[in-house]
Amino acid sequence: SQQGEEDPQALSIQEGENATMNCSYKTSINNLQWYRQNSGRGLVHLILIRSNEREKHSGRLRVTLDTSKKSSSLLITASRAADTASYFCATDLGYGQNFVFGPGTRLSVLP
Amino acid sequence: NAGVTQTPKFRVLKTGQSMTLLCAQDMNHEYMYWYRQDPGMGLRLIHYSVGEGTTAKGEVPDGYNVSRLKKQNFLLGLESAAPSQTSVYFCASSYTGDEQYFGPGTRLTVT
Repeated sequence: SQQGEEDPQALSIQEGENATMNCSYKTSINNLQWYRQNSGRGLVHLILIRSNEREKHSGRLRVTLDTSKKSSSLLITASRAADTASYFCATDLGYGQNFVFGPGTRLSVLP
Repeated sequence: NAGVTQTPKFRVLKTGQSMTLLCAQDMNHEYMYWYRQDPGMGLRLIHYSVGEGTTAKGEVPDGYNVSRLKKQNFLLGLESAAPSQTSVYFCASSYTGDEQYFGPGTRLTVT
């Protein structure tokens, strides 16, 4: 199975609600990143959290990392229809030389 | 500043044909990557480069070759295309090996 696995596979919420996605991984990491992909497009970097950090914020995004449980979560607060996309976690196993992406969470934000 | 560009955007090949996908970046990034994305799966790393003249294998390198003769370009070659190589191919670049900038993708179909 893959190094990174997001949960849930799909999530549907109303505009204004919060969305939480989780990522689990198997081996030690250097850092963990979250990316967004709009349908048919390339991925866009959202946030990076290093292995010695526990929480990070960027605008409406909050990321946590628990290295003891090998898991991370991405929280999007006050969601908007424009947040509709697939979200991927990526783990860096070797200082920029070995990225592993999970299968993604498809988020639908309904107006 | 165009970021990361990929050529071509779409291509249809017959089994056994060869082709080269071109990735170009104008951000003076050292790291460059080639991924493939299949339905329901995250991105899988094919090959990567940590600098001009260097290349290394990723998770799924079989059937592909790469070259990085110039810092700004990273070429992905398929010598003898197979239907299993039908996929969307993404190129990415990174300055430090952390945040990756993605191209728009190349949709390849092998019949």
